[in-house]
Amino acid sequence: DTGVSQNPRHKITKRGQNVTFRCDPISEHNRLYWYRQTLGQGPEFLTYFQNEAQLEKSRLLSDRFSAERPKGSFSTLEIQRTEQGDSAMYLCATRGLTTQETQYFGPGTRLLVL
Amino acid sequence: AQTVTQSQPEMSVQEAETVTLSCTYDTSENNYYLFWYKQPPSRQMILVIRQEAYKQQNATENRFSVNFQKAAKSFSLKISDSQLGDTAMYFCAFMKHVYSGGSNYKLTFGKGTLLTVNP
Repeated sequence: DTGVSQNPRHKITKRGQNVTFRCDPISEHNRLYWYRQTLGQGPEFLTYFQNEAQLEKSRLLSDRFSAERPKGSFSTLEIQRTEQGDSAMYLCATRGLTTQETQYFGPGTRLLVL
Repeated sequence: AQTVTQSQPEMSVQEAETVTLSCTYDTSENNYYLFWYKQPPSRQMILVIRQEAYKQQNATENRFSVNFQKAAKSFSLKISDSQLGDTAMYFCAFMKHVYSGGSNYKLTFGKGTLLTVNP
């Protein structure tokens, strides 16, 4: 257990619905990352936060995606009007001040859009 | 942009034997980090081993060691005395060092190698 938790672990939704995922990081970690992992691929970077500030967004993050990290604690990733192509594992990772190169991953949320 | 290539989609090894997973990468940077992450079935991704590009000595963590060839841009992982618990997806990953302007510490992953350890 890395200390990073994600909820829900699995989500099945119908195309067009909105979904929201949550990531709870290790408490002292100031940086939080979201990655997407599709079948047969490695994780791909989506966005990251330093404390509550969202500092970078990948081109993979379309307008239907929004992420927040209020008060620099937990983070949420919302997908609006889901499409079948959004089906993937969404991974959260956090990083501390002293172990800057090492990211600690959560178990992921597996999304299936029908 | 950096790319990471893992040319072996699947590998298998007998318990107690040694296996080597391959990884090559492409970058114009001189300072960076390389990682091997392990993702067991339905479990969290965890760091196996890390290498700083400026260090010539290959990193070692117990049964895991790397062969880092900077000029060839190659970063292979050797697992000695393979155990059933080593069965997992293994990802090679690249991170730009902050001294190369990499302030975000994001990871670029390869597609992974599925390693199966057989009893």
